[in-house]
Amino acid sequence: GESVGLHLPTLSVQEGDNSIINCAYSNSASDYFIWYKQESGKGPQFIIDIRSNMDKRQGQRVTVLLNKTVKHLSLQIAATQPGDSAVYFCAENRNQFYFGTGTSLTVIP
Amino acid sequence: GAGVSQSPSNKVTEKGKDVELRCDPISGHTALYWYRQSLGQGLEFLIYFQGNSAPDKSGLPSDRFSAERTGGSVSTLTIQRTQQEDSAVYLCASSLEGRGIGELFFGEGSRLTVL
Repeated sequence: GESVGLHLPTLSVQEGDNSIINCAYSNSASDYFIWYKQESGKGPQFIIDIRSNMDKRQGQRVTVLLNKTVKHLSLQIAATQPGDSAVYFCAENRNQFYFGTGTSLTVIP
Repeated sequence: GAGVSQSPSNKVTEKGKDVELRCDPISGHTALYWYRQSLGQGLEFLIYFQGNSAPDKSGLPSDRFSAERTGGSVSTLTIQRTQQEDSAVYLCASSLEGRGIGELFFGEGSRLTVL
């Protein structure tokens, strides 16, 4: 079936390094994608979004890349900090939002 | 309100009992979504409201699950005859527009434990 999935369920990085979290989607009709961050015991929080007419969008310390040819989405976090430790979800729009399984990011001080 | 509010934050119930979970979306948000998150898992879509109507109920796992929304605002998710596999965090989100457009704002969730 159609799904949104993540390549790596867990990721550990050293503080100060860059992090890359990947996501694959299967519906080529999806035209809007969002990355969310979920800290333990809290609801997901919006990080950054991107529309299908773009291939890159930058925010503060975060960049989202969209490759529609291979239906791949990635979230890059620059200079990762301990406060970035969380589970990261990508979500695709198909009338409502469908979320991937999530990647748990651990930042090692 | 300032954000999406959910209650109760924690609910422990016995197998077979009915439970109601409440969501107060951000004022003015027309779309409301319910998701379920099992321990260490992703977000499973349950139902989506646009105003008071539910264009998509496809994610409700069984007929024990139902939801309603009144006045284009508060929503209640009801689980009848709860089972242990219903144990999860139930997350509510709202957005200004529907149809998967725009940012979703999530509540803190209602953690349901069925003994």
